[in-house]
Amino acid sequence: QQQVKQSPQSLIVQKGGISIINCAYENTAFDYFPWYQQFPGKGPALLIAIRPDVSEKKEGRFTISFNKSAKQFSLHIMDSQPGDSATYFCAASKGQTSGSRLTFGEGTQLTVNP
Amino acid sequence: KAGVTQTPRYLIKTRGQQVTLSCSPISGHRSVSWYQQTPGQGLQFLFEYFSETQRNKGNFPGRFSGRQFSNSRSEMNVSTLELGDSALYLCASSQSYHEQYFGPGTRLTVT
Repeated sequence: QQQVKQSPQSLIVQKGGISIINCAYENTAFDYFPWYQQFPGKGPALLIAIRPDVSEKKEGRFTISFNKSAKQFSLHIMDSQPGDSATYFCAASKGQTSGSRLTFGEGTQLTVNP
Repeated sequence: KAGVTQTPRYLIKTRGQQVTLSCSPISGHRSVSWYQQTPGQGLQFLFEYFSETQRNKGNFPGRFSGRQFSNSRSEMNVSTLELGDSALYLCASSQSYHEQYFGPGTRLTVT
């Protein structure tokens, strides 16, 4: 059973535009929601993360918006750059009761055109 | 601090063989998790070790096993390899329960 659903599967944005990737989860026990960025041939890199007690977190050009009642969260990349072209994964975990187990979304391949 | 390291980076094995992959976590991190990444199934959790004990296990057959040593280094083993085991195997280390940092992965090809 897929517990974290991610959309879109692929996204093309012009340089300077805003990239938006959405995720929805089912399990209300999830209490930690990270986003990872993965370049070809590399492992996923932790980008930014949020806990459900806040509705938004911003780090540089990256912002997570979190809607607890809708069980949805999204990643916004402002002023998108060609160097942001990568695959992005949302994930969720349940905290101490399940150790460090991450459940991932399917991934979004982002292409930023110059 | 040095990041998570995985060896080997690439591996080619024949169906029916077994393989052992190694992971060295970030210094001070006591939790090591393993994930399998394939184009069809995405990123799937295999298991997690903390202080030499398996703390969590994903939904993979018993052919997949792992262990952790007293220095937190971890190994995973896959016995009786199948073609479907071809994947990128990722190791992640964590100091807390949540923030996980991934290594570059081991690309396993089963022929």
